Amino acid sequence: NAGVTQTPKFQVLKTGQSMTLQCAQDMNHEYMSWYRQDPGMGLRLIHYSVGAGITDQGEVPNGYNVSRSTTEDFPLRLLSAAPSQTSVYFCASSVGQGFDEQYFGPGTRLTVT
Amino acid sequence: GENVEQHPSTLSVQEGDSAVIKCTYSDSASNYFPWYKQELGKRPQLIIDIRSNVGEKKDQRIAVTLNKTAKHFSLHITETQPEDSAVYFCAAFDNNAGNMLTFGGGTRLMVKP
Repeated sequence: NAGVTQTPKFQVLKTGQSMTLQCAQDMNHEYMSWYRQDPGMGLRLIHYSVGAGITDQGEVPNGYNVSRSTTEDFPLRLLSAAPSQTSVYFCASSVGQGFDEQYFGPGTRLTVT
Repeated sequence: GENVEQHPSTLSVQEGDSAVIKCTYSDSASNYFPWYKQELGKRPQLIIDIRSNVGEKKDQRIAVTLNKTAKHFSLHITETQPEDSAVYFCAAFDNNAGNMLTFGGGTRLMVKP
């Protein structure tokens, strides 16, 4: 199993550009989530999904959209990039709801200039 | 929503000493408390977790204690080794409040040889 994969690994955007961060898992996990990691602020939940077709907002959802058309994929879309969105983004998945081990992807380092 | 505070933000110990990291949470309904370790440039990985019906759990050199009355939980690492150097995150999960896992701000542990 590849586990949780993310692409790209690094990305530089200009302010106002849009892009999609890809996340896929091959473990048949129902629960998937997106976090951003900023220095000294831990991991903050952006959006999550408890199954295909179901998404919900986390702690910091503004400026991001998600969709979950399949169990395997959970892309994160930045609508109009801003410098405040410079961060490391982690996708994670777990078997059940959030009270199971979260398997994290390798992360995407995003810089917005 | 849930708020998780973690202390200290940095911790330096001598190899062989013990390290203790403490977290408090705000939502008394939270019932699952995992700890993640993140080595430099890597993804977070689960090292131990505890559920609300248990007061203490051990796994070799690491242990976690939970005090539900006081709403705090702690990570204890004994006989620290240089490879324990990493950032450690606590988290709390309340499945009655939107299935969200809320992380603390992290503790950078440095073990000096």
